[in-house]
Amino acid sequence: QQQVKQSPQSLIVQKGGISIINCAYENTAFDYFPWYQQFPGKGPALLIAIRPDVSEKKEGRFTISFNKSAKQFSLHIMDSQPGDSATYFCAASIGNFGNEKLTFGTGTRLTIIP
Amino acid sequence: VTQNPRYLITVTGKKLTVTCSQNMNHEYMSWYRQDPGMGLKLIYYSVGAGITDKGEVPNGYNVSRSTTEDFPLRLELAAPSQTSVYFCASSARRTNYGYTFGSGTRLTVV
Repeated sequence: QQQVKQSPQSLIVQKGGISIINCAYENTAFDYFPWYQQFPGKGPALLIAIRPDVSEKKEGRFTISFNKSAKQFSLHIMDSQPGDSATYFCAASIGNFGNEKLTFGTGTRLTIIP
Repeated sequence: VTQNPRYLITVTGKKLTVTCSQNMNHEYMSWYRQDPGMGLKLIYYSVGAGITDKGEVPNGYNVSRSTTEDFPLRLELAAPSQTSVYFCASSARRTNYGYTFGSGTRLTVV
């Protein structure tokens, strides 16, 4: 049972464009929603995270939008750059700091073309 | 987070151990496996020394946490279905910085 569904599986965006990756979850007990970025040959690294008490969180060019009623959240990358080319994973967990069991989505391979 | 080895090829039925250590005094440690198109699946996790619990895909694996620093993953009888990339990760109990992942161990079971 896939508790966190992620789409699309792959995404190609032109440099300077907006990259959008979507996730949907089923377990209403989830209360911490991070996004991880993974480059080839490396482990994932935390990019940005949100809790359900806010609808949006922005850090530089990266924004998470959160819709609690629809049980969906998305990652927006503004002014996408070739260096953003990586695999992105959404995740969800339960707990004050979300540092116990993380449930990951299946990943989106993002390619930024010049 | 340091994992060893980075690459490993073994034969079906062999017993093996992948080591993981961290020197950040993190309470939480986890093992994930990553298969193409499947994301990361939690195998086992630990919230402190002496405490471990199963994740989503624990069958065929074993772990122990005798110290805060070390969290080895053991495969008692390696099987081709366990061919995957394995990641160890650690986190402080109270932090907003998420998990720190190791660089991964690519395991091939023939």
